[in-house]
Amino acid sequence: DTGVSQDPRHKITKRGQNVTFRCDPISEHNRLYWYRQTLGQGPEFLTYFQNEAQLEKSRLLSDRFSAERPKGSFSTLEIQRTEQGDSAMYLCASSLSERTSGSLYNNEQFFGPGTRLTVL
Amino acid sequence: LAKTTQPISMDSYEGQEVNITCSHNNIATNDYITWYQQFPSQGPRFIIQGYKTKVTNEVASLFIPADRKSSTLSLPRVSLSDTAVYYCLVLNSYKLSFGAGTTVTVRA
Repeated sequence: DTGVSQDPRHKITKRGQNVTFRCDPISEHNRLYWYRQTLGQGPEFLTYFQNEAQLEKSRLLSDRFSAERPKGSFSTLEIQRTEQGDSAMYLCASSLSERTSGSLYNNEQFFGPGTRLTVL
Repeated sequence: LAKTTQPISMDSYEGQEVNITCSHNNIATNDYITWYQQFPSQGPRFIIQGYKTKVTNEVASLFIPADRKSSTLSLPRVSLSDTAVYYCLVLNSYKLSFGAGTTVTVRA
């Protein structure tokens, strides 16, 4: 399977605990994104990497959240001191940049299956 | 980001054509119109993207009038497996902005 994978698929934790999620993008994709989705809503942008550089962070990403992509391949999203309001689906996506894909503009991002977080 | 408006839900039957219209009155010159599909417990999947007139692929067609203030996603001959949420996005950025989408329910 050459799609985007995420691990774990489900995580249940107690309030105050730290959690870490992993995303493995499609291997040749240089861009990686994290989104969060709550029930009944569309995904919300959290952050974006081009190769190993984190180029943008949403204001939704409080200081309890940190994301890394150390070698420009897989990425991790860590949430410290989890709160019940952090309960959501965390989605990872990857894509090629416009220059790499050769298209004038490309909104095609490939999403993983997500990690569903439940904070008790 | 251009604001989009699309119906909350639509019902259809197998074999019918489903058309979902999205309004985006303040679309900018360099914005593209993109549609994603999402099944329960899965990430969204890119369906189609266009700038003007008509775009067709193996899954859907996208109709965009000359003023680009709206667009229509057309799903030909839907099946039960097309039951999903469909999102209309209007942007020129990597930062996808999803609304609540349109829940399409296909019945037998």
